[in-house]
Amino acid sequence: DIVVTQSPDSLAVSLGERATISCTSSRSLLYRSNNKNYLAWYQQKPGQPPKLLIYWASTRESGVPERFSGSGSGTDFTLTISSLQPEDVAVYYCQQYYTSLRTFGQGTKVEIK
Amino acid sequence: QVQLVESGGGVVQPGGSLRLSCEASGFTFSAYGMHWFRQAPGKGLEWVAFVQSGSSYTNYADIVRGRFIISRDDSKNTLYLQMNSLRPEDTAIYYCAKDCALGGMRDYWGQGTPVSVSS
Repeated sequence: DIVVTQSPDSLAVSLGERATISCTSSRSLLYRSNNKNYLAWYQQKPGQPPKLLIYWASTRESGVPERFSGSGSGTDFTLTISSLQPEDVAVYYCQQYYTSLRTFGQGTKVEIK
Repeated sequence: QVQLVESGGGVVQPGGSLRLSCEASGFTFSAYGMHWFRQAPGKGLEWVAFVQSGSSYTNYADIVRGRFIISRDDSKNTLYLQMNSLRPEDTAIYYCAKDCALGGMRDYWGQGTPVSVSS
């Protein structure tokens, strides 16, 4: 199984400041046939299902604000919120979808400092 | 657009059974693999099971293997999860999802159905 490890577990950032979450995979998620990394980022607010923010490690889902960006390749990935807004308070998960046995990071809780 | 609607959740006693359904629309259901995921209260996201298109292959998380059965009826565009020998730790919101095979873009998730295992 591919193990996905996320850090930190929680993060408190001032409004307007940058938030950065890291995600590491135990195996490369790069599919060489299309040169895409099969790593997604989800945002989850209380009482709601997960919402896809980023797929292919760096492609923003339609309607997702530009302040959210994803980067990385192979085994190391990052989600950045460039200027934290009140509505960004949530838990964020990375997920590998390279294999049919999907695995998730443990989640990062983002709060306002 | 892709739509996935789960149903069948509810309250069941430990040791009991429940069958979840997921009705799909907006895509050619028979051509895609499908997943079940879950999230226990206050916990993270967890993959539960997968069925390949044509039901040629299935896979399960170790914690549910031998108790849960994933299946599909392509004539009804519906995915199922038969859950047997339920335990309190199976209490969760269960989500179905359309698989993104390698070469594709992304998974699509439903809104979830809650399952509570309690006496």
